[in-house]
Amino acid sequence: SQTIHQWPATLVQPVGSPLSLECTVEGTSNPNLYWYRQAAGRGLQLLFYSVGIGQISSEVPQNLSASRPQDRQFILSSKKLLLSDSGFYLCAWTLQGYEQYFGPGTRLTVT
Amino acid sequence: SQQGEEDPQALSIQEGENATMNCSYKTSINNLQWYRQNSGRGLVHLILIRSNEREKHSGRLRVTLDTSKKSSSLLITASRAADTASYFCATDRYNQGGKLIFGQGTELSVKP
Repeated sequence: SQTIHQWPATLVQPVGSPLSLECTVEGTSNPNLYWYRQAAGRGLQLLFYSVGIGQISSEVPQNLSASRPQDRQFILSSKKLLLSDSGFYLCAWTLQGYEQYFGPGTRLTVT
Repeated sequence: SQQGEEDPQALSIQEGENATMNCSYKTSINNLQWYRQNSGRGLVHLILIRSNEREKHSGRLRVTLDTSKKSSSLLITASRAADTASYFCATDRYNQGGKLIFGQGTELSVKP
C-alpha cells in the first residue's frame, strides 16, 4: 500500500534562517506531488506541484522553492525565512484523476 | 481565487443528528473531493465524485453533485462525537495536472 512521509513534524526557526522540508512517497511510481500551506483556521493554498523528476510548477510567487530530485521525493526550501512563512505545510500525492493523499504535515513557526 | 466555497463555515449539532455541508464552485470540473481534517492533523480523503456522477455513498457519508448548479453537498448521517473535525471540498479541473483547489472548510462540532 502507499504511504507518504513528511518530516519534521514541527519546526521552530528564526527569521532569516534556511528551511528544508522533505516529503517521500512509498508504494507508487511517477506520482504527481504537491506542497500546500494552511494558515490557521483556513483552507489549503497550493504552493508547488510536480508531474515528474525535475519538473516543478509554482502557483504563488513567494519566498519558497521546491525540488524533486527523485521520483518519490519532494523538497520544500527557503534560503531566508520570513515571519509570514509560518503555517502548516502539507505534502500530497496523486495519480492524476484520482484521489489525492496527504502526509501528516509539518507545523512551522518562524520567530 | 478559491474554487470551492463551503457553507456553513461552522456547524454545531447533537450526536445522532445529521450534518449537511455544502460546497459551490465556479468552473467546470473533472471531479470533486471531500476531505476531513482533525485539529492539527493532515487531511483524510473521504469521497471522490466525478463530474458524470450525481450521488455517491460511503458508510454514513453521502455526497451529491449538481454540475448545472456547480454545487455539491456532504451529508453525514447519525453523527458521532468522533465526526468533530473540519471538512473541506476540493475541485480537480480538467488539464490542470491534478491540482486541487480547496475551499475554506466547514468546522463541524458534534456534541455528545
